[in-house]
Amino acid sequence: GAVVSQHPSWVICKSGTSVKIECRSLDFQATTMFWYRQFPKQSLMLMATSNEGSKATYEQGVEKDKFLINHASLTLSTLTVTSAHPEDSSFYICSARDPTGNPYEQYFGPGTRLTVT
Amino acid sequence: LAKTTQPISMDSYEGQEVNITCSHNNIATNDYITWYQQFPSQGPRFIIQGYKTKVTNEVASLFIPADRKSSTLSLPRVSLSDTAVYYCLVGDMGDYKLSFGAGTTVTVRA
Repeated sequence: GAVVSQHPSWVICKSGTSVKIECRSLDFQATTMFWYRQFPKQSLMLMATSNEGSKATYEQGVEKDKFLINHASLTLSTLTVTSAHPEDSSFYICSARDPTGNPYEQYFGPGTRLTVT
Repeated sequence: LAKTTQPISMDSYEGQEVNITCSHNNIATNDYITWYQQFPSQGPRFIIQGYKTKVTNEVASLFIPADRKSSTLSLPRVSLSDTAVYYCLVGDMGDYKLSFGAGTTVTVRA
């Protein structure tokens, strides 16, 4: 099946700094990618939809100025957590749909564990 | 998106069949039922999807009754490696957004 990668797999940063997380579709082109956040023992929460060549659309309650999303190519979307705080510590996961495949199947990255100290 | 209800957790033993039932009373005509599996500290993985009756693949079977108000994911002869959280999602996927509920934590013991 299709593969989605994320980098880094884990990152530790100091409060107030910014962190960039990359999401790549390795063997297909994805016009749309999705970013999720998952706190321990909780379910995934959709943060935003990343659209290639246009602005991301954010879910209600997600601060677009804090979570910057850039989808500059058909295989790469980035999520930048700006001015990170300890409460932003979480597991961030991206997903993408292969437009040539099953419309009901999305491919998820392995996730990025962010810890803000 | 239709609201779904699943058991919070289920325990099983190796070699047994595990059946997880998901209730979705408000499912719409255009909605499909999709199941994902998530291991700890990993992204979810698509397992199976269906609209009605029965669907089977190399991993699981999905049983959907005629009224489609529920569905049952069946995992045959589970092993320790099937310990994971299983999510039932219902929607028409028109915007391809996925809404994850709490999921069912399946623990397989030796």
